[in-house]
Amino acid sequence: GNSVTQMEGPVTLSEEAFLTINCTYTATGYPSLFWYVQYPGEGLQLLLKATKADDKGSNKGFEATYRKETTSFHLEKGSVQVSDSAVYFCALRGGNTGKLIFGQGTTLQVKP
Amino acid sequence: DAGVIQSPRHEVTEMGQEVTLRCKPISGHNSLFWYRQTMMRGLELLIYFNNNVPIDDSGMPEDRFSAKMPNASFSTLKIQPSEPRDSAVYFCASSQDRAVLDEQFFGPGTRLTVL
Repeated sequence: GNSVTQMEGPVTLSEEAFLTINCTYTATGYPSLFWYVQYPGEGLQLLLKATKADDKGSNKGFEATYRKETTSFHLEKGSVQVSDSAVYFCALRGGNTGKLIFGQGTTLQVKP
Repeated sequence: DAGVIQSPRHEVTEMGQEVTLRCKPISGHNSLFWYRQTMMRGLELLIYFNNNVPIDDSGMPEDRFSAKMPNASFSTLKIQPSEPRDSAVYFCASSQDRAVLDEQFFGPGTRLTVL
């Protein structure tokens, strides 16, 4: 079945550091891929998405590229801010379904 | 737009009691999703509806859980009887359609504690 695996957290960085959160997936066919972010005490928000191989999703300085050959969708940001501290979820949706499969989440803590 | 509305935001109850969680999706959205989030199991899809019809309830843990969507603007998730292991944050989300590109919008969640 479909599944998503994220790097374990927590990830602790200093402000302005480079961020990478790894995400790999297992799926049949051609899933759509997503990154969601959850700030403390809130629900999840869509951060970015990509629907086909080599697509790059981007938003708020975050980027992720859909790599079919490595079944990956790693999240990157060149310079993190304290306000980026949150839990980040990688997710996929396959086939003609609205069902999202989430990874376990990675906590990011950015220190001033 | 008010976003997805969930109530209550916090619920503390005793084992064996009935618990009802409520959700109002974004107006015009026709898909609704219930998720459960715990430290141990992460974020799990419990059930989702499209046009008020349950499409996939394979994530519902057991018969103690039931969900309804009587109309396009309201859904409930009921646990009867509740158990301590049901303690979690329950999220409701809605989207405009099942189409591939559609974003799911999440509510703020209901934090349930079963003593």
